[in-house]
Amino acid sequence: DVKVTQSSRYLVKRTGEKVFLECVQDMDHENMFWYRQDPGLGLRLIYFSYDVKMKEKGDIPEGYSVSREKKERFSLILESASTNQTSMYLCASSYTQGAYEQYFGPGTRLTVT
Amino acid sequence: GQSLEQPSEVTAVEGAIVQINCTYQTSGFYGLSWYQQHDGGAPTFLSYNALDGLEETGRFSSFLSRSDSYGYLLLQELQMKDSASYFCAVRKNTGFQKLVFGTGTRLLVSP
Repeated sequence: DVKVTQSSRYLVKRTGEKVFLECVQDMDHENMFWYRQDPGLGLRLIYFSYDVKMKEKGDIPEGYSVSREKKERFSLILESASTNQTSMYLCASSYTQGAYEQYFGPGTRLTVT
Repeated sequence: GQSLEQPSEVTAVEGAIVQINCTYQTSGFYGLSWYQQHDGGAPTFLSYNALDGLEETGRFSSFLSRSDSYGYLLLQELQMKDSASYFCAVRKNTGFQKLVFGTGTRLLVSP
């Protein structure tokens, strides 16, 4: 079974803090994705990576950066957290040609106060 | 631009059949995926259509009409455990493959 794990299930941070969200997959997938999910807005793509050290902006990259130093690990970084970044963050992975079938982690609910 | 439209909520009773529609407007369309998400859970992949027609997987079927920019997910013999949110997602091929998700349809199945 494909397994995607995320470092925290719940996280509370203060405005201005630097926040790291970690994601690890164990299926040797080339593609990895970070989404945020907000009520009524569905899943919105923040960043994705198709290979180690490669990254592409998604639809809402502002305020975020990412890092992929190893194939199995994809990190999302909030350089200076703001209250409007309070959300559920979901990581996913897929094969290169299989982006239609993504495997999701359990999510991190981040609250910025 | 790009947009996907699906109903926000659908209700049905156990044993019934329900259809969740999805219309899309996007460039670089490659196919349509469907995901299920239970409250508090992660989205899980249900089906994918790249070609016109119906794909059947057990109680669930998915349909695509590329000419109409329209698809639907059909759930048969509804069970209480089918109560969840269902998302359609367009697979785009604009150099890099990615999914663009709709806002989701909440399905409530009652006894």
